[in-house]
Amino acid sequence: EPEVTQTPSHQVTQMGQEVILRCVPISNHLYFYWYRQILGQKVEFLVSFYNNEISEKSEIFDDQFSVERPDGSNFTLKIRSTKLEDSAMYFCASRDRVSNQPQHFGDGTRLSIL
Amino acid sequence: AQKVTQAQTEISVVEKEDVTLDCVYETRDTTYYLFWYKQPPSGELVFLIRRNSFDEQNEISGRYSWNFQKSTSSFNFTITASQVVDSAVYFCALSEMDSNYQLIWGAGTKLIIKP
Repeated sequence: EPEVTQTPSHQVTQMGQEVILRCVPISNHLYFYWYRQILGQKVEFLVSFYNNEISEKSEIFDDQFSVERPDGSNFTLKIRSTKLEDSAMYFCASRDRVSNQPQHFGDGTRLSIL
Repeated sequence: AQKVTQAQTEISVVEKEDVTLDCVYETRDTTYYLFWYKQPPSGELVFLIRRNSFDEQNEISGRYSWNFQKSTSSFNFTITASQVVDSAVYFCALSEMDSNYQLIWGAGTKLIIKP
């Protein structure tokens, strides 16, 4: 069964550095999402992406965040100047065009900011 | 205001007991979807079920069953004859047509099954 893959599984970065989290969605999917889960807390929506542009974003998704689909297969989340509070698990998800299909999640990238 | 409320922070039962995880949601959309996901200690999110707002039929899948009641805005999840492997955090989530179907998550219920 096709799956969403995320790399790396764990990223350790110094505060203030830029980080890029990578995701390869399922190949025929059209909608892409990033979610964040701070340790021990609930999952929070960050951003959705469709047709090469952001369709929705949350208050969390401020100017330090950006997303890109650079080559038709990868879907990246960039955090420009990381802060300690960015430490979390970041999940990528994708779904196809049919609205009632569930989002398929990757296994997540654990981001640790030192 | 919370759109998805999972009031039970943690539940602990002995193996083979039945357990019900509660989920109450809030939406003004007439078209929406409700989900349950399981997050085992390894951290990944495992899809369990999706239910759309027009289908109130309850569903059973093996030891799992779901009770969707629009009248009370609830989508509860029952595990019968629980097993240690069911230990995980379970999340209820809502997606609305008006919000581009982004998932709005409850706080999760940590389920501990003791042998």
